[in-house]
Parts: sequence; structure tokens; C-alpha cells
Amino acid sequence: DQQVKQNSPSLSVQEGRISILNCDYTNSMFDYFLWYKKYPAEGPTFLISISSIKDKIEDGRFTVFLNKSAKHLSLHIVPSQPGDSAVYFCAASRAGGHSGYALNFGKGTSLLVTP
Amino acid sequence: DSGVTQTPKHLITATGQRVTLRCSPRSGDLSVYWYQQSLDQGLQFLIQYYNGEERAKGNILERFSAQQFPDLHSELNLSSLELGDSALYFCASSSDIPYEQYFGPGTRLTVT
Repeated sequence: DQQVKQNSPSLSVQEGRISILNCDYTNSMFDYFLWYKKYPAEGPTFLISISSIKDKIEDGRFTVFLNKSAKHLSLHIVPSQPGDSAVYFCAASRAGGHSGYALNFGKGTSLLVTP
Repeated sequence: DSGVTQTPKHLITATGQRVTLRCSPRSGDLSVYWYQQSLDQGLQFLIQYYNGEERAKGNILERFSAQQFPDLHSELNLSSLELGDSALYFCASSSDIPYEQYFGPGTRLTVT
């Protein structure tokens, strides 16, 4: 059962414009959300995270918006750069329970930033 | 470089065989997580160890087992391998912030 969904398998954006990657989740018990970036032949790289008590967090060119009522989060990248081209995974975690702090991942969105 | 190392990088073996994947966490991290990434399922959590003790289990098959040693490195053992076990296996580690997990480069397992 996929509890974290990324409905757009791919996204193409021009350099300098905004990239918006979306993520939906079904489990209201999730209390921490993360974005990972993955290049081919490498492991996922932690990018940014947000706690469920917040609705926005910024780190440089990256901003995460969390809408708990809609069970939706998004990652905004402004301005987009060619080096941002990668697969982006949304992940969510729930403290405690039999799964500890296991991350539940979406299937990823492949971002291509064109010059 | 996340600081998490995994060996081997690639592994090709036959059905019915047994393999061991190895992971060394970042210096100081006590938690190790194992994930499987297959083409159709995405990244799936298998199991977590904390300071040598099993902490949490995901959808890990009974044919799979893991352990974490006193030096904190971990091994994932896969036995009676089937074609469907072909996947990327990632190890991750975390410290004080358990949600923020740092991943190794993965081991690509091909079962023929």
C-alpha cells in the first residue's frame, strides 16, 4: 500500500525558472517529511525536511510547503539550475510503532532542467 | 559522499544461492536501516538496527536477515535467492535526528 505518492513521474523546467515537485500522503500519523535527491548510480541524498508542526521551511533555493489538511507537500526550487537535474523522492516518517523511524518513499519525480 | 559505505557495489548470483551485503554507517551513527529498491516497488524499508539491537521491521522476507555488529557495521543476508530479489539494496544511517537518514551508494544485486 503506497502511503506516499508522487503522481508526476517527470518534470522539465527551463534554467532560472521555478521547479515545483508535488507529493501526497495518506497516513495522517506521519509527523516528519523529507525530500531526497538521487543521481544515477548513487544513493539518495538528503535535501531538506519539515516537521508536521510547521507549514513551510526554506533552505537557500529550496522551500517545502506542507498542507496537512490536504495531506500534500511540495518542494519549490528557485531558480532551477541544470545541476538540479535528478530524481527527487518525497519521504515521510512516523515516530514509534513497529516501523520505528522507517521512511516511506514515493516513487520519485525525474526533474530535467534545460539550459 | 554521505559517509556511509556499502560493499560490494555489484553482485551477480544464481537462484537458490545466499549472499551477504555489508554496510558501514557514518562515524558516530548508531542506527542502520536497510532498504530495497526494485523497479516496480520503489524504495521499501526492510529493517532497522540501533546499537546492535533490532529496532524495527518492515516487509522483510523470512529468507532475509540482518545483524549489526559491535563496531556498528551491519550485514544483510539474503538466502534462497529468487529472480524477484534482483534489486538495489541501500543502507542508511542516522544519529540524533532519526528521520534524517544518510544513504550509502547501494549494492546492485542481480539474480540469474
